[in-house]
Amino acid sequence: SAVISQKPSRDICQRGTSLTIQCQVDSQVTMMFWYRQQPGQSLTLIATANQGSEATYESGFVIDKFPISRPNLTFSTLTVSNMSPEDSSIYLCSADRNTEAFFGQGTRLTVV
Amino acid sequence: QKEVEQNSGPLSVPEGAIASLNCTYSDRGSQSFFWYRQYSGKSPELIMFIYSNGDKEDGRFTAQLNKASQYVSLLIRDSQPSDSATYLCAVNKGDQAGTALIFGKGTTLSVSS
Repeated sequence: SAVISQKPSRDICQRGTSLTIQCQVDSQVTMMFWYRQQPGQSLTLIATANQGSEATYESGFVIDKFPISRPNLTFSTLTVSNMSPEDSSIYLCSADRNTEAFFGQGTRLTVV
Repeated sequence: QKEVEQNSGPLSVPEGAIASLNCTYSDRGSQSFFWYRQYSGKSPELIMFIYSNGDKEDGRFTAQLNKASQYVSLLIRDSQPSDSATYLCAVNKGDQAGTALIFGKGTTLSVSS
């Protein structure tokens, strides 16, 4: 399985601020994905990040709120911008290896 | 809008029994199906994936796929208390390369000793 390191593992942030989450994969991957898991809920895909192109966002998620970078084939960041308490969730990155999707440890974000 | 449906449970089984987890999906064109296990406070862990109709076995786990009925299941034989977790069914989003997934809400399994 792929090893995906994600940080920070958790953070408590003030409303109106932004947080950038980093995800590092142990080998090159074509596509990386970002998910949100709200309290007591399942995972919802935010966007797909390809190296060298703009991220593709799912319905209900916009680039201004969740800008994504993918500077190379092993790294991606997700920024949660202008946070509100409704953004309190776990954010997870994912990458493919042999058509199987593996997840980072997640970032537990609390907005106060 | 593609959807994945699971019974949220909880599903309770005694130790040693077979646990049966079920999932239906809305998009008949879906090709890839995944089962993840998620312990509380942890990230999802891939258990199995299945692409073809029929059964696929891996140790105590068997995934079953019926594309005509748009139905996927996961059987856990000889259930152990350590199997107590939330099981997530996921389907490949299908309109792009790579494993972008649509998840069901998950079924909580409780195995009692």
